[in-house]
Amino acid sequence: DAGVTQSPTHLIKTRGQQVTLRCSPKSGHDTVSWYQQALGQGPQFIFQYYEEEERQRGNFPDRFSGHQFPNYSSELNVNALLLGDSALYLCASSFFETTETQYFGPGTRLLVL
Amino acid sequence: AQSVTQPDIHITVSEGASLELRCNYSYGATPYLFWYVQSPGQGLQLLLKYFSGDTLVQGIKGFEAEFKRSQSSFNLRKPSVHWSDAAEYFCAGGGLTGANNLFFGTGTRLTVIP
Repeated sequence: DAGVTQSPTHLIKTRGQQVTLRCSPKSGHDTVSWYQQALGQGPQFIFQYYEEEERQRGNFPDRFSGHQFPNYSSELNVNALLLGDSALYLCASSFFETTETQYFGPGTRLLVL
Repeated sequence: AQSVTQPDIHITVSEGASLELRCNYSYGATPYLFWYVQSPGQGLQLLLKYFSGDTLVQGIKGFEAEFKRSQSSFNLRKPSVHWSDAAEYFCAGGGLTGANNLFFGTGTRLTVIP
C-alpha cells in the first residue's frame, strides 16, 4: 500500500515563474492538505481540498492555488514566484470525517532564484 | 488564536540518556495535540497523539507524552535515547478529524552524541 507520494522531489525556478507540485494521497484517503515549511520553521497550512473543493485556507496569498482531481490527487500551483517561496512543500492526506491522523508525503523542495 | 510553542530550538543529549522535549499550547477549547518527527530530507512521521482520556499517551519508537492541562503542556519523553532518534521534532495542534488542519510549533532539533 503506497503512502503519500509527491512529485517532483526537487525543483529550481526563477522569480516570476510559475510552478506546479503534485500529490497522490494514501490509498483510500479523500482529503489533501498542503503545507509550506520554510527553512528552520514548522510547517504552515496553505489549504485543504475535499470533494474537489477548497475547504480551508491558511494565511497565503491568491498566488497559491490548487486543485483536486476525481481520484483525490491534488496539485499546488504558485504563480509569480518570489524568493520567499523557497521552501519544502508538504502534502498530507486523510479521511475528512474520521479521527485518523494525517499522513505526510516526503515533500517537494522548491528553490527560487 | 490557537498555537503551540516549542521553547527549545536545539537539544543535545548523550546516547542512553533520557529525553524531554517541551511543548506548550494555547487553545480555546479541548486541544488535540500531536508530536511528529522529521528526519533530514524526509516528511513528517506521527509519533503519538492526544485526543482525550488518559493524559499519558504512548507512541511509536518508545516515545510517550503527558498532557497537563494545568500547565498547558504536552511534553514528549523517552527514557533512553538512541543515535537514530536524532531528528527534528514538531509539536502540533489540530482538530479531531481529518477535516481540520494542523498548526505546528517551530520545532526542536535533537542531536545525540555517543
